[in-house]
Amino acid sequence: GNSVTQMEGPVTLSEEAFLTINCTYTATGYPSLFWYVQYPGEGLQLLLKATKADDKGSNKGFEATYRKETTSFHLEKGSVQVSDSAVYFCALERGYNNNDMRFGAGTRLTVKP
Amino acid sequence: DVKVTQSSRYLVKRTGEKVFLECVQDMDHENMFWYRQDPGLGLRLIYFSYDVKMKEKGDIPEGYSVSREKKERFSLILESASTNQTSMYLCASSPSTPDSEAFFGQGTRLTVV
Repeated sequence: GNSVTQMEGPVTLSEEAFLTINCTYTATGYPSLFWYVQYPGEGLQLLLKATKADDKGSNKGFEATYRKETTSFHLEKGSVQVSDSAVYFCALERGYNNNDMRFGAGTRLTVKP
Repeated sequence: DVKVTQSSRYLVKRTGEKVFLECVQDMDHENMFWYRQDPGLGLRLIYFSYDVKMKEKGDIPEGYSVSREKKERFSLILESASTNQTSMYLCASSPSTPDSEAFFGQGTRLTVV
C-alpha cells in the first residue's frame, strides 16, 4: 500500500543552522508529494508540494525535490529561524479523485535562539 | 479565508458514551477526511468521504463510524467511547482535483475517562 516514512525527531537546531528532514515513500504509480507544517495549537497547513519526478517545491525558504530514483522528498532549509519551530509532515496523495492521502509520523523541529 | 471548522477544541467524555465530532467546510470540497493524531504515529486515516452519503474506511476504522448527509458536513461518531480513543482528531477537506492541497481544522482533543 501507499505509505510515507519520515526521519524520527525531535530535531533541535540553533538559529541559522541548516535543516534536513528526510522523507521516503512507497506507492504504486506516481503520487504527488507534499510537506505540511503544524504550528503549536493549529491544524496542518500546506508548506510545499511537487507533483512529478524532478519537480522542486519551495516556499518560505524551504525546498524539497521529488526524487523518483530514490523515492524521496527530503525537506531542506538553509537557515532556520525560531519561528520555524513546528511539526513537519511529509505526505503523499494517490487517488483518482485526490482522495487517498497518507501522512508520515511527523518531525518536531525546535529552533533555539 | 477558506475554513474547516471543528465543533469543539476540547472534549471530555466517559467510557461507553456515544460521542459526535462535527466538521464543517465552506469551500464546496468533494472530499472530507477524519484522522487521529498520536505522538510517534503521525496522522492515521479513520474514514474519508468523496461525496454526500459516500464513505470509505481508512486504516483504523474500528470503533468509529461517520455520516455525511450534506456536502459541507462530515461527522465522526464513536459508538461507545473507550480510553484508547483518547487522542487528537483532525478533520480535513480537499477538492477532487488531482494534486490539490488539503485544508485542516484546528483539531479536537478528546479525552475519554
